[in-house]
Amino acid sequence: TQLLEQSPQFLSIQEGENLTVYCNSSSVFSSLQWYRQEPGEGPVLLVTVVTGGEVKKLKRLTFQFGDARKDSSLHITAAQPGDTGLYLCAGADNYGQNFVFGPGTRLSVLP
Amino acid sequence: DTAVSQTPKYLVTQMGNDKSIKCEQNLGHDTMYWYKQDSKKFLKIMFSYNNKELIINETVPNRFSPKSPDKAHLNLHINSLELGDSAVYFCASSPLGDSLEKLFFGSGTQLSVL
Repeated sequence: TQLLEQSPQFLSIQEGENLTVYCNSSSVFSSLQWYRQEPGEGPVLLVTVVTGGEVKKLKRLTFQFGDARKDSSLHITAAQPGDTGLYLCAGADNYGQNFVFGPGTRLSVLP
Repeated sequence: DTAVSQTPKYLVTQMGNDKSIKCEQNLGHDTMYWYKQDSKKFLKIMFSYNNKELIINETVPNRFSPKSPDKAHLNLHINSLELGDSAVYFCASSPLGDSLEKLFFGSGTQLSVL
């Protein structure tokens, strides 16, 4: 069974601080995605990373895929209250026939 | 013009009842899924359908029966509801075969079994 672990589980920071959350697995995935979920809504895709060592930037968010395609990190620069939410990583195997989710990191950014 | 829509948003029912949740996607995707999110927010796949055919059926009680009348719809019927079925159920779709694998989620159905 493929499992994804995320750390930290909870993170509460002040507006303007930087943070990094991690997603780790013992399995190799064909791709890895990061989603953000807000209360009462479904997860919304932020990014998909496919190539080992890949780095993608989305405004203040930087995503990295490990060389071995087993782990990933999400770095947020100058966090804002609007970044508050549940951040989920998901690994795709069988080329998207199955997506396995991590338990999530709940981020609170205080004004 | 909602991409993945599921109804109802909230479902409150008594133990033992039978209920259905409907899902439709207008993205032209080939693959649809049902996920269950528990109280700890852990998302777990239940079923995956590709072009109306069942691909993945995780360890889910056979009281749960998905039905896909066409590739744009995947409904979930639940028989003899139990207290432990209370959770948020998400429908999702994916353009299988696209090199950028990704899921598009509906806004969820919060099921409460009393």
